[in-house]
Amino acid sequence: AQKITQTQPGMFVQEKEAVTLDCTYDTSDPSYGLFWYKQPSSGEMIFLIYQGSYDQQNATEGRYSLNFQKARKSANLVISASQLGDSAMYFCAMREGGRNNDMRFGAGTRLTVKP
Amino acid sequence: GAVVSQHPSRVICKSGTSVKIECRSLDFQATTMFWYRQFPKQSLMLMATSNEGSKATYEQGVEKDKFLINHASLTLSTLTVTSAHPEDSSFYICSARPALLNTEAFFGQGTRLTVV
Repeated sequence: AQKITQTQPGMFVQEKEAVTLDCTYDTSDPSYGLFWYKQPSSGEMIFLIYQGSYDQQNATEGRYSLNFQKARKSANLVISASQLGDSAMYFCAMREGGRNNDMRFGAGTRLTVKP
Repeated sequence: GAVVSQHPSRVICKSGTSVKIECRSLDFQATTMFWYRQFPKQSLMLMATSNEGSKATYEQGVEKDKFLINHASLTLSTLTVTSAHPEDSSFYICSARPALLNTEAFFGQGTRLTVV
């Protein structure tokens, strides 16, 4: 069974600084995808970044980068130059290949950016 | 990007009534859609996988007679909360995606259900 762990219920970061949100996962499937989503107070789920299990390089999308350490089964999200609008819940998720492709989520981390 | 539309965004209903929530993929066909439930300050919990033209697959502990799912076309899945009770009050959100593994899931806007 797949499992996603986010150990940081809440994080604070000063505006313009970088912050790392932790995510570890557990799966026996060699093919899987890792995702990060942002959920502001409105409830919508905003896709941020994706990392495939066979990708050789860490994914980057603008100010977001994913620190993928396959051997350690971690997929931490790094947000650079934090902005006040980054304050939200952040969820790490995984989807295994070879199944019916449902996506499972971690518990989430609430990020607060301080001015 | 692909868009998933969910309706209604908010609904208040009386105990004992049923509520239907629609989830539409607007610019792609989705043979599979997913329904999640999210309690305040908690994560998204998968309730069921909706399969076009066949029965939904429910997660353990989710009552299939309580949460009826119909996926009658490649662009529409519906979740009906039957005989709603206050404990069914929650945020329900659907997702869908094109078939490839390496694409993100697109989420609807979510439905906040309040049962009074």
